Amino acid sequence: EAGVAQSPRYKIIEKRQSVAFWCNPISGHATLYWYQQILGQGPKLLIQFQNNGVVDDSQLPKDRFSAERLKGVDSTLKIQPAKLEDSAVYLCASSSLPRVGSGANVLTFGAGSRLTVL
Amino acid sequence: AQKITQTQPGMFVQEKEAVTLDCTYDTSDPSYGLFWYKQPSSGEMIFLIYQGSYDQQNATEGRYSLNFQKARKSANLVISASQLGDSAMYFCAFFRAAGNKLTFGGGTRVLVKP
Repeated sequence: EAGVAQSPRYKIIEKRQSVAFWCNPISGHATLYWYQQILGQGPKLLIQFQNNGVVDDSQLPKDRFSAERLKGVDSTLKIQPAKLEDSAVYLCASSSLPRVGSGANVLTFGAGSRLTVL
Repeated sequence: AQKITQTQPGMFVQEKEAVTLDCTYDTSDPSYGLFWYKQPSSGEMIFLIYQGSYDQQNATEGRYSLNFQKARKSANLVISASQLGDSAMYFCAFFRAAGNKLTFGGGTRVLVKP
């Protein structure tokens, strides 16, 4: 099966500019996640969708970050205006819904979008 | 909120030897899971192994095994017969069944020496 697709792979912008990242999850995966990974740290969850509804956006800086998942498939993460501290890799992941009585389903990650804010 | 801790920022291991990466977590949830992911320098996150809180036996996947000690809330990863290609960052992650949410630790960098 095709993996999680992300674009662009790299983006360099100046502070106060805007940027958008796109993610196409594995076909049929109901849950989509956006993580922010700052250099040297573990990924931090920004937002989690189930189908096209938001499950958790408690760590999303809503004054500058926004995300949507139209029709429960593709997703876009936007930053406007960007700050220096937004320099990071933005990872998209998807998983299918857990089967009743089973363990967790594995999250499959995309290659990430590396953002540098100057 | 769940807390997950990896206390080893970096480790060297000799090729062909085994290495243990520590992971501890803190939760009051009865149903949860522990994942380990590998992140090479190329940046992709590669799933290695999963352990559910109700699993009776420790998980194994090829050269990877998970030493799950539920009472101590630890889920250490053991890599046997290390290879040069094992050099990477390794992340332990806690999965909360309620909400389908995955939280990562800070990672351990492993460097395999020839």
